[in-house]
Amino acid sequence: KQEVTQIPAALSVPEGENLVLNCSFTDSAIYNLQWFRQDPGKGLTSLLLIQSSQREQTSGRLNASLDKSSGRSTLYIAASQPGDSATYLCAVGHQTGANNLFFGTGTRLTVIP
Amino acid sequence: GAGVSQTPSNKVTEKGKYVELRCDPISGHTALYWYRQSLGQGPEFLIYFQGTGAADDSGLPNDRFFAVRPEGSVSTLKIQRTERGDSAVYLCASSSYGGSFYEQYFGPGTRLTVT
Repeated sequence: KQEVTQIPAALSVPEGENLVLNCSFTDSAIYNLQWFRQDPGKGLTSLLLIQSSQREQTSGRLNASLDKSSGRSTLYIAASQPGDSATYLCAVGHQTGANNLFFGTGTRLTVIP
Repeated sequence: GAGVSQTPSNKVTEKGKYVELRCDPISGHTALYWYRQSLGQGPEFLIYFQGTGAADDSGLPNDRFFAVRPEGSVSTLKIQRTERGDSAVYLCASSSYGGSFYEQYFGPGTRLTVT
């Protein structure tokens, strides 16, 4: 079964700092990897989707990379802002068997003004 | 266009009661998913519909949980004899086609509290 791990579980940084969130998965047979943002008490907002054939995707201050062979992805946030404070979840779409996404437990980010 | 919507946004019920949670997917999406997110955890898969049929219900925790999608659009997740352990956020997602290759779009969720 696919296992997805996110480290660290929580992170606090001062405003303006660049930061990296990590996601690892145990089975490299994936179609894609997706990063989501979740605000307290809210649903999931998709940030970036990387297909298995891609190495990275960028959107504004966000850059996500994917190393499928080593089972790792990173989400880089440049020039962090207090509004970036949220929980960030990664999820993988597995190639064989399952149709659903497998999620990590998330990294709770706090950007201190 | 409209995204995935879920109603109610919050539901408080007493232990032992029956509840229904509704999901309206993006128009034209054939695949619909239900996930459950417990506090401090990532969402966990419950059931997947392709059209009107449940293509994969392997994530349903027990027979108190049931879901339908009779016309291939709106879906209802039904929980009988609710227990305190059922308290969680229930998320619905839809995608244009089934299978994990296609991007899933999530609704805002229904927060269920069983007292």
